[in-house]
Amino acid sequence: DSGVTQTPKHLITATGQRVTLRCSPRSGDLSVYWYQQSLDQGLQFLIQYYNGEERAKGNILERFSAQQFPDLHSELNLSSLELGDSALYFCASSVSPGTRDNEQFFGPGTRLTVL
Amino acid sequence: AQKITQTQPGMFVQEKEAVTLDCTYDTSDQSYGLFWYKQPSSGEMIFLIYQGSYDEQNATEGRYSLNFQKARKSANLVISASQLGDSAMYFCAMREGNSGGAQKLVFGQGTRLTINP
Repeated sequence: DSGVTQTPKHLITATGQRVTLRCSPRSGDLSVYWYQQSLDQGLQFLIQYYNGEERAKGNILERFSAQQFPDLHSELNLSSLELGDSALYFCASSVSPGTRDNEQFFGPGTRLTVL
Repeated sequence: AQKITQTQPGMFVQEKEAVTLDCTYDTSDQSYGLFWYKQPSSGEMIFLIYQGSYDEQNATEGRYSLNFQKARKSANLVISASQLGDSAMYFCAMREGNSGGAQKLVFGQGTRLTINP
């Protein structure tokens, strides 16, 4: 158990819908990362937050947005869902960016299926 | 742009044998970190080992060691005395330098390792 929690574990929805994925980082971790794992794209970085502020952005679609709240939990919002958004979405957390060996601890993932 | 290449889509190894999973990387950064993660069929991502670009010694963690050859830009994972529970997908990843605290990981395509009894 990495200490990172993600809810829900599974999500099945229809095209055009909007969903919210939730992540709670490990106690003490200030940085949260979101990754998407799909069969055709592999594991891709979406976005990073550090202590409530966006710190880095990757291949995140405009239909997707995220935020980190004052209690450090984070939410990833996916809207106007398409079949291709079906994937495993991981949240990871780390203590603080800038440290030398800043290991990222991954949550169990949320498997999103868009029908 | 960074890139991680794992050239072995699948590997089959007999139990108790050692196995090497290949990883090459491409970066123009002087400071970077290399990671290996294991993803069993259950789906979670398990951190195995880390190597910093300035580390002179190869990293080791129990049965895992990282064969870091900086000049060749390779960071191969070596698993000694493989076990049935080692069957999983293995990902090599690189973290770019700490520019403003941005610390995204770039992942390779993975190697599926199967340990045969």
